Amino acid sequence: QVQLQESGPGQVKPSETLSLTCTVSGGSLSDSNSFWGWIRQTPGKGLEWIGAIYYSGNKYFNPSIQSRVSASLDTSKNQFSLRLTSVTAADTAMYFCLRGSYKLGAFDYWGQGVLVTVSS
Amino acid sequence: DIQMTQSPTSLSASVGDTVTITCRASQTISSFLNWYQQRPGKAPTLVIYAASSLQSGVPSRFSGSGSGTEFTLTISSLQPEDFATYFCQQSYSTSMYTFGQGTKVEI
Repeated sequence: QVQLQESGPGQVKPSETLSLTCTVSGGSLSDSNSFWGWIRQTPGKGLEWIGAIYYSGNKYFNPSIQSRVSASLDTSKNQFSLRLTSVTAADTAMYFCLRGSYKLGAFDYWGQGVLVTVSS
Repeated sequence: DIQMTQSPTSLSASVGDTVTITCRASQTISSFLNWYQQRPGKAPTLVIYAASSLQSGVPSRFSGSGSGTEFTLTISSLQPEDFATYFCQQSYSTSMYTFGQGTKVEI
């Protein structure tokens, strides 16, 4: 059973960088049938796709935040990470990491989510 | 971006009822449509993928249909654990996945 667990600070100051890590167990980041991504959720905007990273090294990000976001894989630790720079209150959200399945064309495993608040 | 519009935003139902939720895409997405269930305080879980395929472990009272721009999720014989919010999501545009705004199924 694949499990994902987000970790990171629950609060970030405005203009600073939000960094989150997702640890994967029961599955491998090297799995060619999967890709890895991040989604955030707010009451106002609902579920918003942030981006995805593939074992091949390809990355795709939501154009609305593309200039501020980066992602990486650490296969030795079976973790992947997200960085979002220059955060504002609008980045306050529940952040989920997830696995995408090529076979299903869907996100089949999700982390439990971490609430990140941008506040001074 | 492909816009996903769900209706209704919320609905009230009783245990044993059959409910149908509709999702419309702003352009054709073939069958690249998934449905997720989210219970309060939990992460979404996959219910239906590729418009009509039941995810492993999901009860058969859930079904999906549609293609192109219009899709439906039907829950037959509602159970207490089915009261949740349901989201559709298109996977046609793999560089920009988008979700519907959600439909809350309430008692």
